[in-house]
Amino acid sequence: AQSVTQLDSHVSVSEGTPVLLRCNYSSSYSPSLFWYVQHPNKGLQLLLKYTSAATLVKGINGFEAEFKKSETSFHLTKPSAHMSDAAEYFCVVDLLYGNKLVFGAGTILRVKS
Amino acid sequence: DGGITQSPKYLFRKEGQNVTLSCEQNLNHDAMYWYRQDPGQGLRLIYYSQIVNDFQKGDIAEGYSVSREKKESFPLTVTSAQKNPTAFYLCASRWSVNTEAFFGQGTRLTVV
Repeated sequence: AQSVTQLDSHVSVSEGTPVLLRCNYSSSYSPSLFWYVQHPNKGLQLLLKYTSAATLVKGINGFEAEFKKSETSFHLTKPSAHMSDAAEYFCVVDLLYGNKLVFGAGTILRVKS
Repeated sequence: DGGITQSPKYLFRKEGQNVTLSCEQNLNHDAMYWYRQDPGQGLRLIYYSQIVNDFQKGDIAEGYSVSREKKESFPLTVTSAQKNPTAFYLCASRWSVNTEAFFGQGTRLTVV
């Protein structure tokens, strides 16, 4: 069975400190993976995607993620958090067979001033 | 303006009534999706469609039905068999596998 697990439901950081949002997937093959962000009362926005090219993927707003096949992980990082990063973040696995997109449960990021 | 339109934004229904949520896209995407979002549970897949006249059940299809008679439209019916229908519903579309999905603004359904 293919699935995606976000290891933290809530993460709290201080402004200017690094952000780490963890995501693990299970799949019988190397899937495509995405990170989406949802700001309060706003729609979902794509942050970045991995589709079997470079394992380190850079996205918008200074975010990046590294695909590690040996660890079945796709953690999202940012060197320095900004207040505007406060939002809910979703890791998504693209089940290539059948065109199915499966979302993780989400991680709410809080940024303290 | 290209995008995905969900209507209405808010919907209220009495228990026991069926209700249909609209989703229209003018992006010429082949694949379309319906998700349900509940706090702490992320987005759960209800139904998806890869092409016109074809659709598959997602992880929580019970109590829901869909149709895909036109490429640009993928309406979702929440039937009276759905035990807990009050939720936020999101529609999405994309070209194919490996491509970005685009989302509508959602419909918040409240059943009283």
